[in-house]
Amino acid sequence: DTGVSQNPRHKITKRGQNVTFRCDPISEHNRLYWYRQTLGQGPEFLTYFQNEAQLEKSRLLSDRFSAERPKGSFSTLEIQRTEQGDSAMYLCASSYVGQETQYFGPGTRLLVL
Amino acid sequence: GNSVTQMEGPVTLSEEAFLTINCTYTATGYPSLFWYVQYPGEGLQLLLKATKADDKGSNKGFEATYRKETTSFHLEKGSVQVSDSAVYFCALSDRGYQKVTFGTGTKLQVIP
Repeated sequence: DTGVSQNPRHKITKRGQNVTFRCDPISEHNRLYWYRQTLGQGPEFLTYFQNEAQLEKSRLLSDRFSAERPKGSFSTLEIQRTEQGDSAMYLCASSYVGQETQYFGPGTRLLVL
Repeated sequence: GNSVTQMEGPVTLSEEAFLTINCTYTATGYPSLFWYVQYPGEGLQLLLKATKADDKGSNKGFEATYRKETTSFHLEKGSVQVSDSAVYFCALSDRGYQKVTFGTGTKLQVIP
């Protein structure tokens, strides 16, 4: 069990550019979650997958955001036409159906200039 | 909807002092309750959890009891150490969807 991993750990981009983050969950965990954490706040739920199906999306997830989990293993989160307000820490978590506990990765810190 | 309210920080304590961080919640049904900790430069780590009323979660000297009558889950530790300096998040999980709702976090600084 190597834990949840996320890449890259840091990303600096210019406004208007597209960025993509990757999350590798704990193996055999069939649920995968994305959260966003801004400075001084707690993480906010964005979306989650059970296997490859995206089951819920928050209203925070605008049309510029898209997430995929094509084979039910790793997931990607893409932000198109980034804005300065997208600057945040993007956290990924995973769990197994029936378990209450979600295990978090170290996060990807995004800075949009 | 679900929400979590926790005491604002920062909280500054001397080493070996008693710690209490208050947390109250609003939720439908019977959520699971958690405390997560975020050490400087690191990701969120689960500290403890409780899944039903009157359960007590405990880990590393920290404790919290699920109080349904007061909708609270206060975090306590009898004697804090400098290494406990971190941000602590109270959170709940709706059993149906299992997404986690977090409080805003309380920063704890322990001074020698």
